[in-house]
Amino acid sequence: SQELEQSPQSLIVQEGKNLTINCTSSKTLYGLYWYKQKYGEGLIFLMMLQKGGEEKSHEKITAKLDEKKQQSSLHITASQPSHAGIYLCGAEGGGTSYGKLTFGQGTILTVHP
Amino acid sequence: EAGVTQFPSHSVIEKGQTVTLRCDPISGHDNLYWYRRVMGKEIKFLLHFVKESKQDESGMPNNRFLAERTGGTYSTLKVQPAELEDSGVYFCASSPGRPGNTIYFGEGSWLTVV
Repeated sequence: SQELEQSPQSLIVQEGKNLTINCTSSKTLYGLYWYKQKYGEGLIFLMMLQKGGEEKSHEKITAKLDEKKQQSSLHITASQPSHAGIYLCGAEGGGTSYGKLTFGQGTILTVHP
Repeated sequence: EAGVTQFPSHSVIEKGQTVTLRCDPISGHDNLYWYRRVMGKEIKFLLHFVKESKQDESGMPNNRFLAERTGGTYSTLKVQPAELEDSGVYFCASSPGRPGNTIYFGEGSWLTVV
């Protein structure tokens, strides 16, 4: 079965700093989703990547999928307190299992003002 | 447009009791998923409906869990009888018909079994 490893497990940064969260898979990634969760709330969709080498950006967040499709990174530029939360990567296994996501354990991000 | 809605948002029940969680997917979404996160673990897939049919229920932990989606609209997940290890957050998600579409999650139903 597919496993996802996120690093770091937690991250504390000062407001304005850049940061990167990584998601590494034991198998080829057919669809890689990034979500953000705030405590007590649901998962907020950020981005989805499917093609090797693909890169997407939304506001100050950029996500990339490497050429081999086994690692993805999420980069936040000039972090703000509103970026704080738990970042989760989720991967589809391919074939007919679309929507059946395997999740990493999450990265807890704290941004100090 | 309304997102994925779940009810109840929080529930505290005693061991041995029954709880039914409800999920209303985004209108028009054929795919509906249930996921669960128990304390200290990753979010895990439970099952997948396509319209009213169970496409994949490989993640259902045991026969105390029963999911239904009558008419292909809303879905219910019943836990009977509840055990302490069932405590956690139950997420529902939905997506349109084609693979590669965004999967939208609800805010979760937080279940505590005491």
